[in-house]
Parts: sequence; C-alpha cells; structure tokens
Amino acid sequence: KAGVTQTPRYLIKTRGQQVTLSCSPISGHRSVSWYQQTPGQGLQFLFEYFSETQRNKGNFPGRFSGRQFSNSRSEMNVSTLELGDSALYLCASSAGQGINQPQHFGDGTRLSIL
Amino acid sequence: GENVEQHPSTLSVQEGDSAVIKCTYSDSASNYFPWYKQELGKRPQLIIDIRSNVGEKKDQRIAVTLNKTAKHFSLHITETQPEDSAVYFCAARATGGGADGLTFGKGTHLIIQP
Repeated sequence: KAGVTQTPRYLIKTRGQQVTLSCSPISGHRSVSWYQQTPGQGLQFLFEYFSETQRNKGNFPGRFSGRQFSNSRSEMNVSTLELGDSALYLCASSAGQGINQPQHFGDGTRLSIL
Repeated sequence: GENVEQHPSTLSVQEGDSAVIKCTYSDSASNYFPWYKQELGKRPQLIIDIRSNVGEKKDQRIAVTLNKTAKHFSLHITETQPEDSAVYFCAARATGGGADGLTFGKGTHLIIQP
C-alpha cells in the first residue's frame, strides 16, 4: 500500500506570495492532519480534516487554511507569505473516525521564503 | 492547551546499552501517546504508541511506559544499535470535542556510539 504522498517536495517563494501544498493520504484513510516543522518550534499542529470537514485547528493565523476533497486528498494554502513561514510542512493520514488513530506522515514539502 | 516537555535533548549511549527518553504532559484529558523516530531528511516514523488504559507496551527492543497519575511517559530502547541513531519525538493527544491534534515534545537526538 502506498504511503502518504506530498507534492511538491521543495518550493521557493518570495514574501507576499501565496502557496498551495498537496497531500494524498494512504488509500482508505479518511483523516488528514497538517503540521509545521521548524528547528526552533519543532512540530506544531496546523489543522485536521475528516470527511471534508475541518475537525481541529491549531494556533496559527488565518493566512493558513486548508481543505479536503471527497477522495480524502487535502490541500493547504498559505497566503501573504512571511520569512517565518519557511519550514517543512508535513501531512499525516489516519484511518477511521477515532481521534486517536495512529497518524502516518509523508515526506513533507520544504518551503523556503526569500 | 496541551504542553509536552521532553528530556534529554541529546542522549549519547554506547552501542548495546539502553536508552531512556522521558516526557511529561500537562493536560489530564490526554489519553493517546505516540512516539516517532525521524532520521535526517526523512519523515517522522511511528515506532510505538500507548493509550491511557495501558501502563506499558513492548515491541521487541522498544517499550513505552505511562504513569497517568504523574503525567509521565517514557520510551525505553534496549540493546541499542547504530541504526537507532535519530531524533525521537514524543506526543500527546486528548479525545473529546474540540480536541487539538498531536502536541509534540521538542525531540531527543539519540546518538549511538560504536
């Protein structure tokens, strides 16, 4: 079974631009979560989607948004990019409806802001 | 919200010795505690998890213990091998309405000395 797939793997943007990242979960998984990983702050929760509905949201500004499609694929969008948005963005998928299902991560998208 | 503290930040052990990484959490409602291993440039990989109705769980050389009263949980790796070298993250999550995603510790860089 294929793992979580994230595209693109690397992205370079400039301040003020916007970006969209994509995540395809493991086949059959209906829950997708997004995390930001930086050397200073570590892994921080952005949001979680289940059956096209946002189930939880972390403490990030409204510039960070996401959505999930009927095939469980998810996208996250960051508008008005800032230098501090440079990070590895990780997507994780889990099966079932339970909040505490194991989450499996993709390889991430490395976003660099110039 | 939840806060997870992880110690030590760096741990160096001789090959064949045991390694112990400790985490504390703040939210008594947390009841799911996974551990992830992240090698340099790779995705976080789930290595073991435990739920609050269990005090200990083992998987070959890896074990996790949970003390809900003290809000502590620990990862134990026995007979360490060079391939155990990585950064290890603990995490916690609560169930219930409005629960956030996984809250991670800052990570422990485990170095296995030959």
